[in-house]
Amino acid sequence: QVQLVESGGGVVQPGRPLRLSCAASGFTFGGHGMHWVRQAPGKGLEWVARIWHDGSSQYYADSVKDRFTISRDNSKNSLYLQMDSLRVEDTAVYYCARETWRVGDIPTLDYWGQGTLVTVSS
Amino acid sequence: DIQMTQSPSSLSASVGDRVTITCRASQTITNYLNWYQYKPGRAPNLLIYAASTLQSGVPSRFSGSGSGTDFTLTISNLQPEDFATYYCQQTFSMPHTFGQGTRLDIK
Repeated sequence: QVQLVESGGGVVQPGRPLRLSCAASGFTFGGHGMHWVRQAPGKGLEWVARIWHDGSSQYYADSVKDRFTISRDNSKNSLYLQMDSLRVEDTAVYYCARETWRVGDIPTLDYWGQGTLVTVSS
Repeated sequence: DIQMTQSPSSLSASVGDRVTITCRASQTITNYLNWYQYKPGRAPNLLIYAASTLQSGVPSRFSGSGSGTDFTLTISNLQPEDFATYYCQQTFSMPHTFGQGTRLDIK
């Protein structure tokens, strides 16, 4: 079955970096785009970043652009999120999610991991 | 960026009730609209995609409708496991923005 398992979360000081990983199994990883979505405490879901199935294109929310980098290693069935210059407002649970295109070429996020908590605090 | 606005932000209902949640896009998104259910500590769950198509395995009491800018999620015959937060998301253009969520509580 499809499984997505995030890791790498923790407590980090403002301005410091952190790298999240997402291990995928149960499907052809290289055949799907992947996303990161986050939820800050008491807030709603916020889309963060997307990478094409082959890593050729990446997209970012304005709130993380130029600070976060999404990448993947299809040989290791792994997705990454390099987070630099972290801010207090980046504190959130970070989810990786699989993208699947449905009828009409409509992207959906059909499988999600359980999330990993990132706390940015001095 | 396309803004997604859900209403209400929260609502209370009883088991067996029928509830409707609306989602409005700031510009047309045709039918590039998905609905998710979220429970704390759990992975979000895709319910509806392309505005009205039920994801495999999702109970038929969930239904979606709409196109263009206005969309609805309807839950008929509410069950105890349906009390959660619901989000719409547009995937018409980047960034793939979510609505702010609708929290459904037990009355």
